Amino acid sequence: GNSVTQMEGPVTLSEEAFLTINCTYTATGYPSLFWYVQYPGEGLQLLLKATKADDKGSNKGFEATYRKETTSFHLEKGSVQVSDSAVYFCALTYNQGGKLIFGQGTELSVKP
Amino acid sequence: DAMVIQNPRYQVTQFGKPVTLSCSQTLNHNVMYWYQQKSSQAPKLLFHYYDKDFNNEADTPDNFQSRRPNTSFCFLDIRSPGLGDAAMYLCATSRDDSSNQPQHFGDGTRLSIL
Repeated sequence: GNSVTQMEGPVTLSEEAFLTINCTYTATGYPSLFWYVQYPGEGLQLLLKATKADDKGSNKGFEATYRKETTSFHLEKGSVQVSDSAVYFCALTYNQGGKLIFGQGTELSVKP
Repeated sequence: DAMVIQNPRYQVTQFGKPVTLSCSQTLNHNVMYWYQQKSSQAPKLLFHYYDKDFNNEADTPDNFQSRRPNTSFCFLDIRSPGLGDAAMYLCATSRDDSSNQPQHFGDGTRLSIL
């Protein structure tokens, strides 16, 4: 079936460190891929998306590239800030119906 | 700003006492979703509406119902809440149900069961 696997958290980094959160997926066909971020006590916010192979999504210094050959969509940021502390969810949709399949989430904690 | 608004942010109810959560949107989107998110877990889709068409997930308990009286509003009804229904409930919208459309989430309602 269709699924998303993320690296386990929590991930703890110092401010200005480089961030990678790994995400791999299993899907039939050609899914669209998303990263959502959830700050404490809030709903999910779309961070970035990519809808076809080799697309790069980017927003607020975060980037992720849709790699069909490795079925991956890893999230990266060159220099994290304390305000980036949140839970990050990788997700896919794969057909009509728009159903989001989420990974388990990765908690990021950035220390000053 | 166009947005998805959920009320209330926090809801407390008693075991077995019906409760209704509400969601409204100013995005004029066709699709509205309800998710259940338990602590430290990913959101789990309960059901969604495409316009007036209701789509239930196969594993959503019968205890959960939904109503969408118009484009802007959607309600989640829990007929007889159990302790296991304590969770964050998230409403989301999208323009349509094609796979490349992102979903826009409200801030959620945290439901507690006494």
